[in-house]
Amino acid sequence: NAGVTQTPKFQVLKTGQSMTLQCAQDMNHEYMSWYRQDPGMGLRLIHYSVGAGITDQGEVPNGYNVSRSTTEDFPLRLLSAAPSQTSVYFCASSYSGISSYEQYFGPGTRLTVT
Amino acid sequence: RKEVEQDPGPFNVPEGATVAFNCTYSNSASQSFFWYRQDCRKEPKLLMSVYSSGNEDGRFTAQLNRASQYISLLIRDSKLSDSATYLCVVNSNDMRFGAGTRLTVKP
Repeated sequence: NAGVTQTPKFQVLKTGQSMTLQCAQDMNHEYMSWYRQDPGMGLRLIHYSVGAGITDQGEVPNGYNVSRSTTEDFPLRLLSAAPSQTSVYFCASSYSGISSYEQYFGPGTRLTVT
Repeated sequence: RKEVEQDPGPFNVPEGATVAFNCTYSNSASQSFFWYRQDCRKEPKLLMSVYSSGNEDGRFTAQLNRASQYISLLIRDSKLSDSATYLCVVNSNDMRFGAGTRLTVKP
């Protein structure tokens, strides 16, 4: 099993550009989520999905879109990049949205917006 | 006020020391609690869940005090390989992460 994979590992964008961060998991997990991690802030939930076709907003959803057309994939779209979106982005999955299950994280995407 | 607060550290301890990390949370309806470990420039990984009765996994002991809304992690006989950032995670409707406590274990 590859677990949770993310691409790209690094990305530099100019303000106003759009892009999609890819996330895939091969564990047949129902629950997937996106976080951003900033210094001193901890991980903050952007969007999550409890299954294919179902998505919902987390703590900091503005400026981001998601979709979940398959169980395996959960891409995150930046609509119009801003310097405030410079961060490390982690995708995670777990067996269920029920809170007691372990979340497995991808290796992260380091994004810089200039 | 942040939902989950941790002492950011850093904690610098010698090998073999015992070190304790604390975490407080604000949502009294929180249902489950975890400690994750994050190595430098890597993804977080589950260290252990935290149960009301307290639980132990080798050198690691986690405690939960619901009345005080407080979680702790105790590491005994610290190893160099324990150097990492330890994240307190609290789940009510979604997972809320503390900013992490950085630990460096020195020879």
